[in-house]
Amino acid sequence: KAGVTQTPRYLIKTRGQQVTLSCSPISGHRSVSWYQQTPGQGLQFLFEYFSETQRNKGNFPGRFSGRQFSNSRSEMNVSTLELGDSALYLCASSSRQRATEAFFGQGTRLTVV
Amino acid sequence: AQRVTQPEKLLSVFKGAPVELKCNYSYSGSPELFWYVQYSRQRLQLLLRHISRESIKGFTADLNKGETSFHLKKPFAQEEDSAMYYCALSGPTSGSRLTFGEGTQLTVNP
Repeated sequence: KAGVTQTPRYLIKTRGQQVTLSCSPISGHRSVSWYQQTPGQGLQFLFEYFSETQRNKGNFPGRFSGRQFSNSRSEMNVSTLELGDSALYLCASSSRQRATEAFFGQGTRLTVV
Repeated sequence: AQRVTQPEKLLSVFKGAPVELKCNYSYSGSPELFWYVQYSRQRLQLLLRHISRESIKGFTADLNKGETSFHLKKPFAQEEDSAMYYCALSGPTSGSRLTFGEGTQLTVNP
């Protein structure tokens, strides 16, 4: 079956702009989590959605938001981009409400200039 | 607060040598522990989890609750084991949220 798909793969934005990233989970998976990966901070949890409800949120400013649709696809949005938002954003899907096995997408590489 | 520590950012061994990647955690309760691996230009993938008590690609990891550790071991390293390894933790009330360590870059030299 198809894996977790993230679009776009690469993105270049200017400071102050906003961006929307998309994640399509594995078919049948209802849990989607987002992570930010940077060389300095490693993998940091952003938020988690299950059946269209945000269940957990990491320690990120309100500029970072997300949502999940009825088909389990998820989007995350970052407004008023800052240089420090440059990172690889990873999406993971799980079949259950636990992290028993999370399947990761290849990520979206965001560069803010 | 939950925390995962991987003390070695870089680890280099020769082919055929034993390898141990260290992982210590902090959590008040009974967490689930995982090892994830990221090979060059590939996506992050699950290597093994403590509840399965299985050996994957020759790797094993034992959860030591007394020392709050979950070290990853392999008796004979192979060149194809070269990758970035992440230890991760999930709590019973964390949903599918994972807390990751900073990762250890393993290089197996020929």
